[in-house]
Amino acid sequence: DTEVTQTPKHLVMGMTNKKSLKCEQHMGHRAMYWYKQKAKKPPELMFVYSYEKLSINESVPSRFSPECPNSSLLNLHLHALQPEDSALYLCASSQDRQQIPYEQYFGPGTRLTVT
Amino acid sequence: AQSVTQLGSHVSVSEGALVLLRCNYSSSVPPYLFWYVQYPNQGLQLLLKYTSAATLVKGINGFEAEFKKSETSFHLTKPSAHMSDAAEYFCAVSDKYNQGGKLIFGQGTELSVKP
Repeated sequence: DTEVTQTPKHLVMGMTNKKSLKCEQHMGHRAMYWYKQKAKKPPELMFVYSYEKLSINESVPSRFSPECPNSSLLNLHLHALQPEDSALYLCASSQDRQQIPYEQYFGPGTRLTVT
Repeated sequence: AQSVTQLGSHVSVSEGALVLLRCNYSSSVPPYLFWYVQYPNQGLQLLLKYTSAATLVKGINGFEAEFKKSETSFHLTKPSAHMSDAAEYFCAVSDKYNQGGKLIFGQGTELSVKP
């Protein structure tokens, strides 16, 4: 099974709402990633978790809060977002061993619209 | 710092024609290189990867890429385009000394296939 699942598929939220995005993988991968992708642009890395610990935060605003409850799950908590945060949010996972960059497997994404 | 340049933001070919998508990289260490494809409203799917083994890499859907160190290139080719190949293609680089396997993406090339 090489599948990364993401829920919900679509999300519309107001600027005062709190919502969460969920990502799940059952490939035994110990690295998980959140990306943000605007239309016609490459994905931009937001966060990396390695063995359930946050290892990279690409200076993301605090209105985005990641959480890795266990090795299979990754959440992204959203609060007080701005309209410019509207984008496709992609989750990915990979094996994680030092000095070996394994390929990342991506989920289908959550299309987020902030009104 | 590593970087990836994809020449041509848009490439159009006729069905049955050769597909050539160009990717040049910059890296001070031996790179690990990837090609991903993204269909509309979907996540990224790995097409193929170069990890310092064979310089000619075969991937899924009939695609292949050749690593040329002297030219710092990793161009993607397919002998005969199919309508279903229409999508966005991203080249990415990751160095093996980079914890977490952070991917550096090119700007992407949109492939159109004319009947």
